[in-house]
Amino acid sequence: AQTVTQSQPEMSVQEAETVTLSCTYDTSESNYYLFWYKQPPSRQMILVIRQEAYKQQNATENRFSVNFQKAAKSFSLKISDSQLGDTAMYFCAFMKTSGTYKYIFGTGTRLKVLA
Amino acid sequence: NAGVTQTPKFQVLKTGQSMTLQCAQDMNHNSMYWYRQDPGMGLRLIYYSASEGTTDKGEVPNGYNVSRLNKREFSLRLESAAPSQTSVYFCASSEWQTTNYGYTFGSGTRLTVV
Repeated sequence: AQTVTQSQPEMSVQEAETVTLSCTYDTSESNYYLFWYKQPPSRQMILVIRQEAYKQQNATENRFSVNFQKAAKSFSLKISDSQLGDTAMYFCAFMKTSGTYKYIFGTGTRLKVLA
Repeated sequence: NAGVTQTPKFQVLKTGQSMTLQCAQDMNHNSMYWYRQDPGMGLRLIYYSASEGTTDKGEVPNGYNVSRLNKREFSLRLESAAPSQTSVYFCASSEWQTTNYGYTFGSGTRLTVV
């Protein structure tokens, strides 16, 4: 069975600085997707970024980028130039591409951006 | 606006009462999911429906039932609510061909069982 671990329950960062959220996972699958979702205080879940396991290039979306280390089963999220609106809960998720496209979520990291 | 609509947004139940959480999507997605979110535990899958007419258990199905009424609607029923079912419930949908496996989530239902 797949597992996803987020070892940092809470983090804080000063506005305009860079922060990295860690995520590790365990799987025997070779083909899968990894995701980061953001949940602001509004409770809405928002897709931040996705990574396909067969792609070696790390995904980037504006100020958000990932460091995907397939051999180490590590998938960290880097937020550059942090903004107050980045304050949220961040969830890492795993999905294998065979089957019914179910996500396995980590327990989340609560990020607070300080003014 | 296109998306996933969940009702109600908040609900308080007494132990033993029943209720149905409604979910509807207007994006023509095949797959729909129900998750519960508890502090320190992330989101856990209750039930899912890979396509219209099919439903399957997820990680935590006990105490729940689901109905995929049609392609748009996927409801979650609590037959006899228990305090352990106090949680925030999310419905989601996806269609790998158009969303590249990304989920669209509803805004959640905060359920309290007293």
